[in-house]
Amino acid sequence: GAGVSQSPRYKVAKRGQDVALRCDPISGHVSLFWYQQALGQGPEFLTYFQNEAQLDKSGLPSDRFFAERPEGSVSTLKIQRTQQEDSAVYLCASSSREGLSNEQFFGPGTRLTVL
Amino acid sequence: KQEVTQIPAALSVPEGENLVLNCSFTDSAIYNLQWFRQDPGKGLTSLLLIQSSQREQTSGRLNASLDKSSGRSTLYIAASQPGDSATYLCAVNGGRRDDKIIFGKGTRLHILP
Repeated sequence: GAGVSQSPRYKVAKRGQDVALRCDPISGHVSLFWYQQALGQGPEFLTYFQNEAQLDKSGLPSDRFFAERPEGSVSTLKIQRTQQEDSAVYLCASSSREGLSNEQFFGPGTRLTVL
Repeated sequence: KQEVTQIPAALSVPEGENLVLNCSFTDSAIYNLQWFRQDPGKGLTSLLLIQSSQREQTSGRLNASLDKSSGRSTLYIAASQPGDSATYLCAVNGGRRDDKIIFGKGTRLHILP
């Protein structure tokens, strides 16, 4: 596709439910990033993939958060036993180059609301 | 630890005016700085990226400057239009192996018709 796509665009979950958020990066992009953006805040780094390898997951807030990119393309961010503080917009970005320092292209985000 | 601050948090100006958005960062050892636009319910659109060796970048009515030594960047918007209304985010990249992009909280801009 022409850009990064994410699905679903909106997700409402009851506290305690598991959710899975999908990211389709720009075709051929080796690097993929997940960010969490709380209301009124800037995005904060969660995790980084280079192809299928998760090279940095230092931003994941707890062990309830899990991300994967098994074939080096599509990525899924899974949140287990959701809590109200998980409510945020989850942004995915991709880059054509390896590493954290290069220009990233962002998707529209998934807005997660935990009731 | 790098911190990025954007002032003001919100700004309303009449259509047609020129305006400046400010971004400051605490660690001057950066690799690049990027300005993004975010519309409500949307993702981020990259506007301008300035490498650490550059002083400014221009795209249409937008001009971004970078003063690494003082830890500041400005985004200048000329002849503002209602369509410019959005949140503008500044993001700094340290460039070291483990550095992540650090975002400011953004400036919410409203152009009054």
